[in-house]
Amino acid sequence: ETGVTQSPTHLIKTRGQQVTLRCSSQSGHNTVSWYQQALGQGPQFIFQYYREEENGRGNFPPRFSGLQFPNYSSELNVNALELDDSALYLCASSLWGYEPEPQHFGDGTRLSIL
Amino acid sequence: DAKTTQPNSMESNEEEPVHLPCNHSTISGTDYIHWYRQLPSQGPEYVIHGLTSNVNNRMASLAIAEDRKSSTLILHRATLRDAAVYYCILTMNNNNDMRFGAGTRLTVKP
Repeated sequence: ETGVTQSPTHLIKTRGQQVTLRCSSQSGHNTVSWYQQALGQGPQFIFQYYREEENGRGNFPPRFSGLQFPNYSSELNVNALELDDSALYLCASSLWGYEPEPQHFGDGTRLSIL
Repeated sequence: DAKTTQPNSMESNEEEPVHLPCNHSTISGTDYIHWYRQLPSQGPEYVIHGLTSNVNNRMASLAIAEDRKSSTLILHRATLRDAAVYYCILTMNNNNDMRFGAGTRLTVKP
């Protein structure tokens, strides 16, 4: 069973640039969620995708967008990067159900904005 | 949104039980209680979840108060590998919006 993998592990960008982060879900999972974790804080929910459609969104502006592909892998895109976007970005996959299923997290992409 | 309150930090001795408390006085009837932990330099890891009844798995036990306004995560014998930040989270049944707080940083002393 392959776990959740994220790429790249580290990334440095400058203000105003755009970035794409990638996530491969755990085998058999059809739902992916993205989180932002600032240093010293808990993860903050960005959004979730299920069957290639956004299925819930946290308090993040529209410049944070995502995609889920037919193989359930996913991308997080952030436009017009700001200094405050510097954080660890976590992807989690799970199996959709009417009762909660455990979310399986990757180890994240560390994004630094200069 | 229902919120949770946890102590910032706790200490335990190795091989002793640890009881990590969580208050959620505004919990609604459909909210599930989840616990995740995050080891250094890793993503969060699922520990356990429950709705009304106490739950046990290979990692831990979850004790839920009768009024559901609080819960306790129990690690029966702490090991050094259990040192982590533990998060108590509430979600509605479809689990699509997990709101992490600051969590409890558990230190395990040899």
